[in-house]
Amino acid sequence: SAVISQKPSRDICQRGTSLTIQCQVDSQVTMMFWYRQQPGQSLTLIATANQGSEATYESGFVIDKFPISRPNLTFSTLTVSNMSPEDSSIYLCSVGASGHSTFEQYFGPGTRLTVT
Amino acid sequence: SQKIEQNSEALNIQEGKTATLTCNYTNYSPAYLQWYRQDPGRGPVFLLLIRENEKEKRKERLKVTFDTTLKQSLFHITASQPADSATYLCALGLRGSARQLTFGSGTQLTVLP
Repeated sequence: SAVISQKPSRDICQRGTSLTIQCQVDSQVTMMFWYRQQPGQSLTLIATANQGSEATYESGFVIDKFPISRPNLTFSTLTVSNMSPEDSSIYLCSVGASGHSTFEQYFGPGTRLTVT
Repeated sequence: SQKIEQNSEALNIQEGKTATLTCNYTNYSPAYLQWYRQDPGRGPVFLLLIRENEKEKRKERLKVTFDTTLKQSLFHITASQPADSATYLCALGLRGSARQLTFGSGTQLTVLP
């Protein structure tokens, strides 16, 4: 398994500003993912963070709003840009288990974002 | 349209009983299905994975079944304990999706002492 930390754990931000969330893993991993979990809802995949290339975004999410960096195999950032109250959510990063026949994901503790 | 539905938003059972949680999906053909546990304020924790060619998987007090004809997975916790109280999420792994997961809405389980 992998140990994942996220910073910040929570933040309250004003609309129109941006917040960068950091995700650090204790080992090198190929697959990293960013999810959003709105209050009382399940997880929605935002994008897959690829090392050395642009992130792959899911339908409904765009790079201008959620730019992602993946400078190496243990670190990624997600920026929530030009925030509005609708962006209030928990943002989670996860990593895929290594190995060809293992498919589970390990999640960070999440970043709780409130936009006022 | 594609849907993943988990049974009832909340499930209450007595300690010692078996909890059975349901995950139904529509218009997906998953290569595998996973179950996660999520406690308040925390990220999901992986519990079990079952592949499309497997009928049943067990791990300690946990059992998962997978029926690709019915498009349903059942998740059982036997001899349930108050510590099993949490939200349980099913997630589908789709072919060609580079290990991405599509999550259901979750079932909140409360085990009453």
